[in-house]
Amino acid sequence: QVQLQESGPGLVKPSQTLSLTCTVSGGSISSGGYYWSWIRQHPGKGLEWIGYIYYSGSTYYNPSLKSRVTISVDTSKNQFSLKLSSVTAADTAVYYCARDSLYGDFPIFDYWGQGTLVTVSS
Amino acid sequence: DIQMTQSPSSLSASVGDRVTITCRASQSISSYLNWYQQKPGKAPKLLIYAASSLQSGVPSRFSGSGSGTDFTLTISSLQPEDFATYYCQQSYSTRAFGGGTKVEIK
Repeated sequence: QVQLQESGPGLVKPSQTLSLTCTVSGGSISSGGYYWSWIRQHPGKGLEWIGYIYYSGSTYYNPSLKSRVTISVDTSKNQFSLKLSSVTAADTAVYYCARDSLYGDFPIFDYWGQGTLVTVSS
Repeated sequence: DIQMTQSPSSLSASVGDRVTITCRASQSISSYLNWYQQKPGKAPKLLIYAASSLQSGVPSRFSGSGSGTDFTLTISSLQPEDFATYYCQQSYSTRAFGGGTKVEIK
């Protein structure tokens, strides 16, 4: 059974960089076949896809966040990470990591972490 | 970028009601449309993929239809455990979610 777990600071100061890591267990990132995504949810609001990474390191980001986002992968630790720079209060959200799989030809998010709340405040 | 619009944003219904939620894409996404259910404090759960395919273990009262730009999620007989927020999500071009529909008890 694949499991994902987010970790990182729950409080970040404005203008600083938010850094989160997702640790994957029950499956290997380096086996390929999946993209690994970050998704966030502002308090009481909907879901926003941030971006994804393949085990090879290729990435794609949401254009609305692209200038501030970096997603990286460490296959030796079976982890992938999110960095979001120059944060403001508008980046306060629950951040989820998720596995992006193919069901036939159709991509779906089949496994999710439990989510971690990151608050941006001085 | 493809924008996803759901309606309504919320609805009130009773146990046993038939509920329909719609999702519209800003351009054709073929059948690259998934539906998720989210309960408070939990991660979303996949219900329907490829517009109309029921995920394993999901009750058959859930169904999806549509292709191109217009899609529908139907709950044929609402059960107490179905009160939640529902999201559509396109996977035709990168990824994007609809704004969500909160299903509340009437």
